[in-house]
Amino acid sequence: EVQLVETGGGLIQPGGSLRLSCAASGLTVSRNYMSWVRQAPGKGLEWVSVIYSGGNTYFAASVKGRFTISRDNSKNTLFLEMNTLRAEDTAVYFCARVGPTSFAFDLWGQGTMVTVSS
Amino acid sequence: EIVLTQSPGTLSLSPGERATLSCRASQSVSSNYLAWYQQKPGQAPRLLIYGASSRATGIPDRFSGSGSGTDFTLTVSRLEPEDFAVYYCQQYGSSYTFGQGTKLEIK
Repeated sequence: EVQLVETGGGLIQPGGSLRLSCAASGLTVSRNYMSWVRQAPGKGLEWVSVIYSGGNTYFAASVKGRFTISRDNSKNTLFLEMNTLRAEDTAVYFCARVGPTSFAFDLWGQGTMVTVSS
Repeated sequence: EIVLTQSPGTLSLSPGERATLSCRASQSVSSNYLAWYQQKPGQAPRLLIYGASSRATGIPDRFSGSGSGTDFTLTVSRLEPEDFAVYYCQQYGSSYTFGQGTKLEIK
């Protein structure tokens, strides 16, 4: 079964750092474009970041310079390193695969909640 | 950045009725790279439509997408009880952006 499982969320103080993980099964992270999308409580979806199979990375303006996306090929896992966290980063963070033929987000994890609060 | 505006914000219909959801882009969407997602409470989004009009794997044919350029539509021909959810459009032709969503609720 093809599956994405996010972990690493939790309660963190403003200014702190957190690393989210997205473990993949049934697909190879390094051979796919992989993305992070977040959803603040009661709000809509916001694209956060993408990493292409070749290694290029891109970020939303709201997180650029504070977040880093990476992957560990040996663990078949995608990461999102989040620094200098703000209250407005509070959200459920989903990882998603960019479909190799559709180029839309065709596979999603269940999400992990990040709460930034003192 | 391409801004997507969805309308209406909330659509109240009964099972068996036809639903028409709109997504308007602030500029032309490259290659009609426009997708629609369905999201139910506590769940991840599910891809319904990509490339403006292609159904994703396993999506019933009562869901259809149309449009090009800046105006796109998702139609649900005959609503089933499980179709009541929030729907988002997304463009992926120039970076990625989502619309604010349309809530489809039972009347």
